[in-house]
Amino acid sequence: ETGVTQTPRHLVMGMTNKKSLKCEQHLGHNAMYWYKQSAKKPLELMFVYNFKEQTENNSVPSRFSPECPNSSHLFLHLHTLQPEDSALYLCASSQDRNTEAFFGQGTRLTVV
Amino acid sequence: GENVEQHPSTLSVQEGDSAVIKCTYSDSASNYFPWYKQELGKGPQLIIDIRSNVGEKKDQRIAVTLNKTAKHFSLHITETQPEDSAVYFCAAGRSQGNLIFGKGTKLSVKP
Repeated sequence: ETGVTQTPRHLVMGMTNKKSLKCEQHLGHNAMYWYKQSAKKPLELMFVYNFKEQTENNSVPSRFSPECPNSSHLFLHLHTLQPEDSALYLCASSQDRNTEAFFGQGTRLTVV
Repeated sequence: GENVEQHPSTLSVQEGDSAVIKCTYSDSASNYFPWYKQELGKGPQLIIDIRSNVGEKKDQRIAVTLNKTAKHFSLHITETQPEDSAVYFCAAGRSQGNLIFGKGTKLSVKP
């Protein structure tokens, strides 16, 4: 248990669906991250939030929309995804952008 | 763009032997080099990290070495145990917020 909780653990959605991934941390951290982990590819940073403000968006398509309502919660809203978006989506948090990140267990997303 | 190369992609060792995983990076401004262990069904977990002001760091059976001139760093695991079996990722960057990850090494430790 890392203190970072992601729900759901597994999600299957159609290309026309809208769904959201949730991440919650109880560590008092100020920075939160979304990563995408695909088979045979390096972990890819998607978004960074620092004190609830988005500071990084690594050329992520607009069908992925992050939301950070407070420093403990992070969402990833999904709509009109493609099959190639199927992957493990990992959330992480750190005290600040220069300290160790703790990862959640991820949401395994399958787009059909 | 910047990248991190990690080798080997798979590594099988006998219990008690040592394991070495190597990474090279391209961004000379990188000064933070963490290593993560990911077990099946779990997220990555930081096992050790090094910053560019030191050349080596050790924590029990795990050590990391850094050669900034050559832009490579390595993970060394001694006296391997079956529970060390996992996928290991290296990363390089200027902070947690801009890390570039390697593709991972699947380590198998045979009893």
